[in-house]
Amino acid sequence: AQRVTQPEKLLSVFKGAPVELKCNYSYSGSPELFWYVQYSRQRLQLLLRHISRESIKGFTADLNKGETSFHLKKPFAQEEDSAMYYCALSGRNTDKLIFGTGTRLQVFP
Amino acid sequence: SAVISQKPSRDICQRGTSLTIQCQVDSQVTMMFWYRQQPGQSLTLIATANQGSEATYESGFVIDKFPISRPNLTFSTLTVSNMSPEDSSIYLCSVAKTGSYGYTFGSGTRLTVV
Repeated sequence: AQRVTQPEKLLSVFKGAPVELKCNYSYSGSPELFWYVQYSRQRLQLLLRHISRESIKGFTADLNKGETSFHLKKPFAQEEDSAMYYCALSGRNTDKLIFGTGTRLQVFP
Repeated sequence: SAVISQKPSRDICQRGTSLTIQCQVDSQVTMMFWYRQQPGQSLTLIATANQGSEATYESGFVIDKFPISRPNLTFSTLTVSNMSPEDSSIYLCSVAKTGSYGYTFGSGTRLTVV
């Protein structure tokens, strides 16, 4: 069965500290993995897609097929990074998107 | 990416009534989806809106409760029927294009049933 697991509901760090938001998945096949972010009072927006292998706002995520993980990392957290982060999976291009339960990141000054 | 207009943005409804939510996209899209986000929860897929045919519902969601229309490649509606307080939630439209960069989400409809 398709499943996305985000074990942490809340992650609190101080500004300048490294951040790692964990995401593990279960899927029989080759999934596409995404990270979405929802800032306060804003719509859900795409942060990263594993196929693109890019860095957005200092965030990176590497797909580890052996560990079935797609953890989101940033070396130095900023206060404006405070938001809800959702890891998501789809089976192929334009197939339905399955979300994890989300992790709230709080960055303190 | 596609630009989505979702209406209404919020509504307060009486139990037993129905509400239809509209999702309009500024360009033709391959796939349209409807999600529910209950308070403090993640997004749960309700159904995939298929153009010209019946929607594909996920487990736990049925057409009688959540009828969906998709008359063309840029528009879809979701109706929440015979509402109860448990239907209070945010409902989101999402779209995807073949070959595009990810999925785009509407701003959501915040529904409160009293």
